[in-house]
Parts: sequence; structure tokens; C-alpha cells
Amino acid sequence: GAVVSQHPSRVICKSGTSVKIECRSLDFQATTMFWYRQFPKKSLMLMATSNEGSKATYEQGVEKDKFLINHASLTLSTLTVTSAHPEDSSFYICSASKRDSLTLQFFGPGTRLTVL
Amino acid sequence: AQSVTQPDIHITVSEGASLELRCNYSYGATPYLFWYVQSPGQGLQLLLKYFSGDTLVQGIKGFEAEFKRSQSSFNLRKPSVHWSDAAEYFCAVGFGTASKLTFGTGTRLQVTL
Repeated sequence: GAVVSQHPSRVICKSGTSVKIECRSLDFQATTMFWYRQFPKKSLMLMATSNEGSKATYEQGVEKDKFLINHASLTLSTLTVTSAHPEDSSFYICSASKRDSLTLQFFGPGTRLTVL
Repeated sequence: AQSVTQPDIHITVSEGASLELRCNYSYGATPYLFWYVQSPGQGLQLLLKYFSGDTLVQGIKGFEAEFKRSQSSFNLRKPSVHWSDAAEYFCAVGFGTASKLTFGTGTRLQVTL
């Protein structure tokens, strides 16, 4: 068990539009979910941490009004990129951890966002 | 601040040869340690982890890693590399009771036949 899915796997949008990415834990309850951004040939950069029913905690330098995170249930978190611009193009990866093992994260397959 | 260093950006090995990927961290206490593998365009798969206990950890796909406190290192090893091991490898550390992870910059492994 411990499978995390992301939808969509790939999205292309026009500049100025908003895009929503879903992250689901399929076979466990995710107490905490994380959103990462990965630039080409670069490491993962943590954007924010979200706990079910609470506001997300954003890392320094991440615009919370641009990257809206909602963790409405124990199996679903969403990341909405608002008013997307080409510089927001990236690979976005979510992960989730269980209540009884907060230090172990299970990663989704990622979403490739391209903003034209 | 905590940091994770993977000094090798790119490593090329022949199939069947042994492999060692280096990882060093900077932190005052013993962290939780992880190695992940990422194939192109994919998410991360956990290879192995160290929380406590035996410092030699066995993982999936024949990988192992050894935690050396004196060197603040957690190097990944495999005795015989397969062509399918070609991928990006990330070392990550978690600190204290917080569940956030800090990732190294990754090492790209190329396997020649």
C-alpha cells in the first residue's frame, strides 16, 4: 500500500489562466501532504506543507496567493497555480505521509505544467 | 541551516560494475536519511531509509547504504549495476520531529553496456 496519484500528469495552458493539480492518497489517510517543484536537471524544492483541515505552511519565497493549496480531506490535496506565466512551467510533485509515520513520505508521479 | 550535499552530479559506470553514490549532510543531530530514485519524467521511488539501529541498511533493487555518523555520510552502494539502474538518485534528510525533507541536488547515473 501507500500509493499516491496526481492528476493531470501533463497540462498545457495559456498565460494568465489558472491550473489545478490534484494529489490523492489512494490507500491510506494522508495526515500531511507536501508540494514540491522541480526545475529541469535540478533537485526538488519544497513549496508548502499542508495538514488536513488547516492552512498550508509555505516555504520562504513561495507566493501563497499564486500557489493556492487546499487539503480538504485526508486523501486529497490540490495545488492551484493562479494566473500562470511561462516561468511557472515546471514539474510539480506531491507527497503524502501517514499519521503514524510522519517522516516517511510517499511521492506521486508528478505533473508537468507548461505555460505558453 | 541543514544541508545535503551530493558531490557527484553525473556518474557513468559499466554494467556489472560496482557503484557508490555519495551523500553528506550538515546537522547537529542524527537525521532521518533516505535515498530516492527518479526515472525521467517520473516521481520518486524510495530505495531505502535509515531511522535508527543498524547503520547498514538494505533496500530494494539490490541497493544498500551505510550511515557513518563520524563522517556525516549516507552513501548508497550496489555491488553490480544493471542497465535499468540508469536514473537520477536523490539523497534526502529529515530532521527532528518535523516531517519536512531536504533533498540533495541529485546524481545522474549513466550505465554503459
